[in-house]
Amino acid sequence: GAVVSQHPSRVICKSGTSVKIECRSLDFQATTMFWYRQFPKQSLMLMATSNEGSKATYEQGVEKDKFLINHASLTLSTLTVTSAHPEDSSFYICSAIGLAGGFRPDTQYFGPGTRLTVL
Amino acid sequence: AQSVSQHNHHVILSEAASLELGCNYSYGGTVNLFWYVQYPGQHLQLLLKYFSGDPLVKGIKGFEAEFIKSKFSFNLRKPSVQWSDTAEYFCAVITHTGRRALTFGSGTRLQVQP
Repeated sequence: GAVVSQHPSRVICKSGTSVKIECRSLDFQATTMFWYRQFPKQSLMLMATSNEGSKATYEQGVEKDKFLINHASLTLSTLTVTSAHPEDSSFYICSAIGLAGGFRPDTQYFGPGTRLTVL
Repeated sequence: AQSVSQHNHHVILSEAASLELGCNYSYGGTVNLFWYVQYPGQHLQLLLKYFSGDPLVKGIKGFEAEFIKSKFSFNLRKPSVQWSDTAEYFCAVITHTGRRALTFGSGTRLQVQP
């Protein structure tokens, strides 16, 4: 089946520093990747949609200069939290939609998530 | 904008009890519906999905869901739960508006007691 990995799985950083989270589709090419944020005991909230080779589309209320998304290839998207603050502490989850021919294009495959703690 | 409601926030059942988790969505057009499960410490896994056709959908691990268009509902069911079903369950929807991101419900925490 389709596998999506995230790295790192857990990161602790100091306030003011930047953190990069990678999302990779391991056995398929992902035309679109999504970044979600999940607060404790709450649902996943979409942050942005990332298409390979183009700028990400951010949801209302998500600061694009703070959450930089790069989708440089069909298997890799990165989320960089710039100048992180304690309120950015959360669980960040990516998902990917594959190209047709093997995987249903409307089925998203989720990564295991990255827990970010900003001190 | 579309939204998804899960009315049961926390459900506690004994093993072998039957399960039904409610999910309602608000969107007047065509939708694709999903149920995901998140076991403790693990990532989201797809339980089942509805795209078209038979409104009664069977998924993995004995789960099924029924799409009732007139009620805008997609309730998840399992006739006999096991302790290993303890997890968080999320209902989600994709609308046919070109935006392919999932809109999630708030989730239901299921606790199955042995």
